[in-house]
Amino acid sequence: KAGVTQTPRYLIKTRGQQVTLSCSPISGHRSVSWYQQTPGQGLQFLFEYFSETQRNKGNFPGRFSGRQFSNSRSEMNVSTLELGDSALYLCASSFKLPGQGTSEQYFGPGTRLTVT
Amino acid sequence: AQKITQTQPGMFVQEKEAVTLDCTYDTSDPSYGLFWYKQPSSGEMIFLIYQGSYDQQNATEGRYSLNFQKARKSANLVISASQLGDSAMYFCAMREEGSARQLTFGSGTQLTV
Repeated sequence: KAGVTQTPRYLIKTRGQQVTLSCSPISGHRSVSWYQQTPGQGLQFLFEYFSETQRNKGNFPGRFSGRQFSNSRSEMNVSTLELGDSALYLCASSFKLPGQGTSEQYFGPGTRLTVT
Repeated sequence: AQKITQTQPGMFVQEKEAVTLDCTYDTSDPSYGLFWYKQPSSGEMIFLIYQGSYDQQNATEGRYSLNFQKARKSANLVISASQLGDSAMYFCAMREEGSARQLTFGSGTQLTV
């Protein structure tokens, strides 16, 4: 079974631009979560989607948004990029909606975004 | 307040020896899950082991075991017979099954074998 895939793997953008990252979960997984990882802040939760609905959102500005499609694939968008948005963005999928028993999350390889 | 605390920024272990990575957590939710992930230099987070708050026995997965001490709110990862490929960053994480259901991560421990 294929793992979580994320595209692109690497991205370089300029301040003020916007970017869209894509995540395809493991087949059969309906829950997708996004995390930002930086050296200073560590791993921080961005948002979680289940059945095309955002179920939970972390403490990030409105420039960060996401969506999930009917096939469970998810995208996240960052508008008006800032230097501080440079990070590894990780997507994770799980079979069950959290709170419904064991729900380990399986992560993708991440997208490394550099903002110049 | 920190919900997940990993007090060891770096650890060294000899090949074939066992090593314990510390993790303490803080929650008032009676139902929660504890996870350990490994992150090699490539960046991918690899799921290692899971322990539910109601599980009576410590979780084990191959060379990994989780030393769960609920009263002390600790969930230490034990890696037996360390291998060179175990060198990586290790993260402890918690999911509270109440209102906040996302994974909250600790700051990580860099293990060098």
